Amino acid sequence: DILMTQSPSSLSASVGDRVTITCRASQSISSYLNWYQQKPGKAPKLLIYSTSTLQSGVPSRFSGSRSGTDFTLTISSLQPEDFATYHCQQTYSAVTFGQGTKLESK
Amino acid sequence: QVQLQESGPGLVKPSETLSLTCIVSGGSISGYYWSWIRQPPGKGLEWIGYIFYSGSTDYNPSLKSRVTISVDTSKNHFSLKLSSVTAADTAVYYCARYNALIRNVMDVWGQGTTVTVSS
Repeated sequence: DILMTQSPSSLSASVGDRVTITCRASQSISSYLNWYQQKPGKAPKLLIYSTSTLQSGVPSRFSGSRSGTDFTLTISSLQPEDFATYHCQQTYSAVTFGQGTKLESK
Repeated sequence: QVQLQESGPGLVKPSETLSLTCIVSGGSISGYYWSWIRQPPGKGLEWIGYIFYSGSTDYNPSLKSRVTISVDTSKNHFSLKLSSVTAADTAVYYCARYNALIRNVMDVWGQGTTVTVSS
């Protein structure tokens, strides 16, 4: 099984901050890494797929990148609507999610 | 556009079988994979399994012995059965479209349904 280690588990930030969330895969997953945003009481929403492709309608302040088995979600300038929980997901072999990162207002 | 809606009992007794259905509307179930995911209270997402419209399946190894996912193309829905449930199976259960056409993403989700395991 492929293990996804996501960090940090929680993060406090302010509007306008640059925020980075990381996911590390236990083995190579090529670029089969997706990011989801989840707000309280709601289903997850696809943000980024294949490491760096923004889903339609997702603001350009969101970006994704990869270095080997390390994947990063970056929000360049945090907006009030971005406070949420973010989940990474690998779909290279079956499906595994990271533990999630709760992004809170400082 | 495609919409998903989960349905099923919100309360299941320990040792019994949890049964949920996901109705696909606004599009055909054919041509895609369909998945179940759950989220225990205050925890992260856990993939349960998926099914291709033709009936082939893949399950999370940790749940495989208790899970059955089936599809009914005539009714445009797919279903989840989880046997021998315990309190640890209490969660919000989501169904989602697993879109292999755009690199294996879950691009459409149901709103989720809460299932509590309790006597």
